[in-house]
Amino acid sequence: QKEVEQDPGPLSVPEGAIVSLNCTYSNSAFQYFMWYRQYSRKGPELLMYTYSSGNKEDGRFTAQVDKSSKYISLFIRDSQPSDSATYLCAMGGGGGSTLGRLYFGRGTQLTVWP
Amino acid sequence: EPEVTQTPSHQVTQMGQEVILRCVPISNHLYFYWYRQILGQKVEFLVSFYNNEISEKSEIFDDQFSVERPDGSNFTLKIRSTKLEDSAMYFCASSDGQLTGEETQYFGPGTRLLVL
Repeated sequence: QKEVEQDPGPLSVPEGAIVSLNCTYSNSAFQYFMWYRQYSRKGPELLMYTYSSGNKEDGRFTAQVDKSSKYISLFIRDSQPSDSATYLCAMGGGGGSTLGRLYFGRGTQLTVWP
Repeated sequence: EPEVTQTPSHQVTQMGQEVILRCVPISNHLYFYWYRQILGQKVEFLVSFYNNEISEKSEIFDDQFSVERPDGSNFTLKIRSTKLEDSAMYFCASSDGQLTGEETQYFGPGTRLLVL
């Protein structure tokens, strides 16, 4: 069964903290891993995209994928109040020639206080 | 920067009525999707669409739902006879479908549907 598990939080940290967000999954066929940020009652906004295992860094954000453990992470360095949002992990692929449907975690609600 | 747009942003309807949700995907994208998010729950896949036909649908996407690309720019989701449990945020997404290692799906802002 293609399930994605994500701790919904909430997570509350002071400004400047390092934030670690995680998801686990059960389907070893997943090859594409994404993190989306969602503000209240808005659409998911793509933050990070990783194909297969490894790390990817973009500014203050680092995404890690460990396919052997079926575990993905998003790290936010020097967190800012503007990072306060819900972070959704999503994944897919492995079933054919295109990405196909995405499977989402429940999202982790993050608050960064000044 | 190109973006997916959706109309209307909010829709209130009576149970049993038909609704059509509209989306304009990113212009060079080839794959189109609808997802929904019931308040407090996961974003759930409904359907994917490519080359003028459904490529995949979930168990949620029953006979009450249909999708169409009526012209070169719009992509619509129709719910024929709405039920209370159809109340949700509906997201359209698109991707270019090219497996270059950077393919992903870009989401619109959503349509909040309330069925009374």
